[in-house]
Amino acid sequence: DQQVKQNSPSLSVQEGRISILNCDYTNSMFDYFLWYKKYPAEGPTFLISISSIKDKNEDGRFTVFLNKSAKHLSLHIVPSQPGDSAVYFCAAPWAGSYQLTFGKGTKLSVIP
Amino acid sequence: GAGVSQTPSNKVTEKGKYVELRCDPISGHTALYWYRQSLGQGPEFLIYFQGTGAADDSGLPNDRFFAVRPEGSVSTLKIQRTERGDSAVYLCASSLILGDTQYFGPGTRLTVL
Repeated sequence: DQQVKQNSPSLSVQEGRISILNCDYTNSMFDYFLWYKKYPAEGPTFLISISSIKDKNEDGRFTVFLNKSAKHLSLHIVPSQPGDSAVYFCAAPWAGSYQLTFGKGTKLSVIP
Repeated sequence: GAGVSQTPSNKVTEKGKYVELRCDPISGHTALYWYRQSLGQGPEFLIYFQGTGAADDSGLPNDRFFAVRPEGSVSTLKIQRTERGDSAVYLCASSLILGDTQYFGPGTRLTVL
């Protein structure tokens, strides 16, 4: 049973436009969420996080929104750049532990 | 500074063989984590260490998998009697302390023929 779900395997966006990547979770015990970006042949790189006491966190072009009632979070990238093309993973620490549970990832392609 | 490094970057072995995968964490990081990523999936947790001790090994799939971190720095993931289903990218991550942001290495791609 996947506790962190990314239902879109891929997304294509024009350069300069907004990219919106979605993530749903089923475990209401999750109270902290992270987004990682992964280029081919590299390990995941931490991008941005959000605590459940917030509904928004912003860092430059990246903003994460959390809707706890819907158990949904989204990552917005504005404006999108070709260098943003990568696989994006949503993750959450397992309650009572420090292991991360990851979604399957969404491959973002930003078209010049 | 240097990030997390993993060796080898690629390992091809035959079914039934024994393999060791090595992880060098970021200097000063006390926590170290192992994950496995199969094709089309996100990373799946295997084990993490705080210092020299395995604080949580609940993700290890069976007793063929074992990991050590004898001096609280470098860690080795050991797989006995490898099976084709063990083929995956094995990722290592470290953090300054448990619960802090995890920084990943590039992974070791293991292929079991």
